[in-house]
Amino acid sequence: GAVVSQHPSWVICKSGTSVKIECRSLDFQATTMFWYRQFPKQSLMLMATSNEGSKATYEQGVEKDKFLINHASLTLSTLTVTSAHPEDSSFYICSASRQVDYGYTFGSGTRLTVV
Amino acid sequence: AQSVTQLDSQVPVFEEAPVELRCNYSSSVSVYLFWYVQYPNQGLQLLLKYLSGSTLVKGINGFEAEFNKSQTSFHLRKPSVHISDTAEYFCAVSEGNTGKLIFGQGTTLQVKP
Repeated sequence: GAVVSQHPSWVICKSGTSVKIECRSLDFQATTMFWYRQFPKQSLMLMATSNEGSKATYEQGVEKDKFLINHASLTLSTLTVTSAHPEDSSFYICSASRQVDYGYTFGSGTRLTVV
Repeated sequence: AQSVTQLDSQVPVFEEAPVELRCNYSSSVSVYLFWYVQYPNQGLQLLLKYLSGSTLVKGINGFEAEFNKSQTSFHLRKPSVHISDTAEYFCAVSEGNTGKLIFGQGTTLQVKP
C-alpha cells in the first residue's frame, strides 16, 4: 500500500512551452502533498506545500507564477512549469503525507529537460 | 528553523563490512526523523523512521538507526553491506507544525567488491 504515481517520468520540451507533471496517491487520500526539485548530485529542495482545496504555500525564492501547483482532489496534485527555460531543467519529485502513520510516500520523479 | 547535517558526503566501504552514515539535526522541539535511500533517477524509498518510543529503530534491508536526543543525532548503520546498497542516502527531519520534510545534503554510499 501507500503508492504515489508520478507522471511523466521524463519529458523534453522546447523553451517557452509549459509542462504539467501529475502526482497521484493511488491507495490513500493525501490532504497534503509536497513538491521538490533536485539538481544532479544534490539534495532535495522543497518548492511548495500543496493542500487539497486551497492555495499552495511556496518556499522562499520559488516563483509562484512559474511553478503553478493545483491540488484539486485528495488524490491528485499537479505541478505546471510555465514558459519553461533551460535553467528549469531538473528532477522534480512529489511526496504525499499520510496522517495515519505519519509517513511520506514519494513519487518516482520526473526528469524535465528544456531545450 | 530545523536543519539536518549529514557529516559525510561520500562513504566508500568494502562489501560485507559494517557502515555508519552520520546525521545530526537541530531543532528546539520534538522531531520525527527519517532515513531514505535513492537509486539513480528514482524517487525516495523509506528505510526507517523514528516517531517516538524505542531509540533504536530497525528498518528494511538490514538497516537500523539510533536516535540520540542529547547529541541530536540519528546515525544509520548496517552490520554488513552489499553491492546493491550502493546508492544515495538522505536523512530528514519533519517540521511539526507544517509537516514539511527537511533533508540533509545526502551521503553517497559506495560499496566496493
